[in-house]
Amino acid sequence: LAKTTQPISMDSYEGQEVNITCSHNNIATNDYITWYQQFPSQGPRFIIQGYKTKVTNEVASLFIPADRKSSTLSLPRVSLSDTAVYYCLALNTDKLIFGTGTRLQVFP
Amino acid sequence: SAVISQKPSRDICQRGTSLTIQCQVDSQVTMMFWYRQQPGQSLTLIATANQGSEATYESGFVIDKFPISRPNLTFSTLTVSNMSPEDSSIYLCSVRPTVNTEAFFGQGTRLTVV
Repeated sequence: LAKTTQPISMDSYEGQEVNITCSHNNIATNDYITWYQQFPSQGPRFIIQGYKTKVTNEVASLFIPADRKSSTLSLPRVSLSDTAVYYCLALNTDKLIFGTGTRLQVFP
Repeated sequence: SAVISQKPSRDICQRGTSLTIQCQVDSQVTMMFWYRQQPGQSLTLIATANQGSEATYESGFVIDKFPISRPNLTFSTLTVSNMSPEDSSIYLCSVRPTVNTEAFFGQGTRLTVV
């Protein structure tokens, strides 16, 4: 399982775009990148997943460069309700191993 | 998708006792996992609950301390045995319908050992 590194915390203001970068230098060929979001007192929730280039859904976009050694989760126009911990995982097996995550705080 | 019901949602227990946490899924799933999350920390995988066989434990976790049952494809239990204050944590159940699908998590069981 590839180790991932991401910033411990980030601050933003409502309406701004937030980009959280994750480093996964030893990612394997079969690994894909997936992001989860966790609110206080809740279990993590899937946000987005990708293998390379760009993936977009109704919640976020995921950018993965050609070398796949990093990825960026982009949250457009965040609101207060986006305050949460965001986890980046690089995996190709059944079990999810979580890193430290990024604690995003959105201010009014 | 999968909906997970975890019981109890929280409990306060005396040291030296044991607590069994239940995880019920609304559909049959092959992969079921148990995690621990200490306050302000990330999730740590305890074990994979295998239907019809013994659970597979991660490094640092042993069956005597965290016995797990998986009698069928919709249900599992995790027991925290001989508890100490260090076991105070949130315990979460998770499932993945297939290896290529997202994981779903229960709301967690908040355990306080006094």
